[in-house]
Amino acid sequence: DQQVKQNSPSLSVQEGRISILNCDYTNSMFDYFLWYKKYPAEGPTFLISISSIKDKNEDGRFTVFLNKSAKHLSLHIVPSQPGDSAVYFCAASARETGNQFYFGTGTSLTVIP
Amino acid sequence: DGGITQSPKYLFRKEGQNVTLSCEQNLNHDAMYWYRQDPGQGLRLIYYSQIVNDFQKGDIAEGYSVSREKKESFPLTVTSAQKNPTAFYLCASTKSGGQPQHFGDGTRLSIL
Repeated sequence: DQQVKQNSPSLSVQEGRISILNCDYTNSMFDYFLWYKKYPAEGPTFLISISSIKDKNEDGRFTVFLNKSAKHLSLHIVPSQPGDSAVYFCAASARETGNQFYFGTGTSLTVIP
Repeated sequence: DGGITQSPKYLFRKEGQNVTLSCEQNLNHDAMYWYRQDPGQGLRLIYYSQIVNDFQKGDIAEGYSVSREKKESFPLTVTSAQKNPTAFYLCASTKSGGQPQHFGDGTRLSIL
C-alpha cells in the first residue's frame, strides 16, 4: 500500500515559469516531509524539508507547502531553470515508526529553455 | 569530505550466486538504509538499521540480508533467493529523527 503518492509522473514547464510538484500521503502519523532531486544513475539529493508544525518552508527558489488537513504537500520552484530538470521524490517519516522513510514514485520535471 | 560511498557502481551476478553490495559512510550517522529502485517506481525500503548490531526488515526484505557490525558500514547481500534482483540499489544514512537522509550514488545490479 503506497503511503506517499505522486500522481503526476511527468511535468514540463517553460524556463522562468513556476513549477509545482504535488504529493499526497495517507498516514496521519507522518510528521516530517522532504523533497529530493535525482539525476539518472545518481543518488537522490536532499532539497528541502518541512515538519508538521509548519505549513510553509522556503529556501531560495524552492518553497514547500504542507496542508495537513488535506494530507497534501507541494514543491514550488520559481523561477524554473533548465538545470532543475530531474526526477523529484517526496518522502515522509514519523517518529513513532522508527524514522522509516516512505517515498513517492517520483515526478520527472523538464524545464524547457 | 563526508559522504556515503557505495561500491561497486555496476555489478553483474550469475544465476544462483550471492552478491554483496558495499555501503560505507563517514558522516557519523546512526541510522542506515537500503532501498531498491525499479523503473517507474519509487524507492522501496529493503532493510534499515538504527544502531550497530540491530536492523529491521523493510517492505521488500525477502531474498536480502544485511549486517551492521560497525557504525560506518551496512553491507547488503542479494541472495539467490531473490528472484528478480536486477535493479538500482541505493544506500542512505541519517543522523537521527527529523533529519534528512543522505544517499550514496547507487549500485546497478544486473543478472548475466
